[in-house]
Amino acid sequence: DVKVTQSSRYLVKRTGEKVFLECVQDMDHENMFWYRQDPGLGLRLIYFSYDVKMKEKGDIPEGYSVSREKKERFSLILESASTNQTSMYLCASFLRGYTFGSGTRLTVV
Amino acid sequence: AQSVTQLDSQVPVFEEAPVELRCNYSSSVSVYLFWYVQYPNQGLQLLLKYLSGSTLVKGINGFEAEFNKSQTSFHLRKPSVHISDTAEYFCAVSSLSGGYNKLIFGAGTRLAVHP
Repeated sequence: DVKVTQSSRYLVKRTGEKVFLECVQDMDHENMFWYRQDPGLGLRLIYFSYDVKMKEKGDIPEGYSVSREKKERFSLILESASTNQTSMYLCASFLRGYTFGSGTRLTVV
Repeated sequence: AQSVTQLDSQVPVFEEAPVELRCNYSSSVSVYLFWYVQYPNQGLQLLLKYLSGSTLVKGINGFEAEFNKSQTSFHLRKPSVHISDTAEYFCAVSSLSGGYNKLIFGAGTRLAVHP
């Protein structure tokens, strides 16, 4: 079974900090995605990557960037965290189907 | 552009009663359709998917969904729910867009099963 691992389950950060959310998949998938989940809004796509060093903006990329230096790792970066980025962040990888990580609940205070 | 509308934000139901969670989508191209479930404090788990073929799709935990192309709907059903089905359910559509395969989600439906 494909495993998608998000390194942190819970994070608390201060406003203005640079935040890294890490995601690793173990099946050599090319496509990886970052979503944020908010009540009443479902999951919204932030960024995705279809290969190493390649990235595409999703529907809500503002305030975020990503890094894909190796195929198995896709990092989401909050350059200067703000309170409106408090959310649940979900990573996924795709080959013939999507596999999601367990999520990182980020609180920005 | 694709979009997904889940018509009910919350659905309360008694145990052993039937349930239907409604999902409509819009897309100008062929789509793949999915239902995911999220139990409290967990990630998303695939319930079922429609890729092609039979419009009635059976999934895990006794759930099924019917793809209706004319009504652009993909409603999820279960004939008899259990307390353990209490969770949030997400409908999603996937299609090739600009050469990339993206998954677009609805806002979710919170199913609350009461004894």
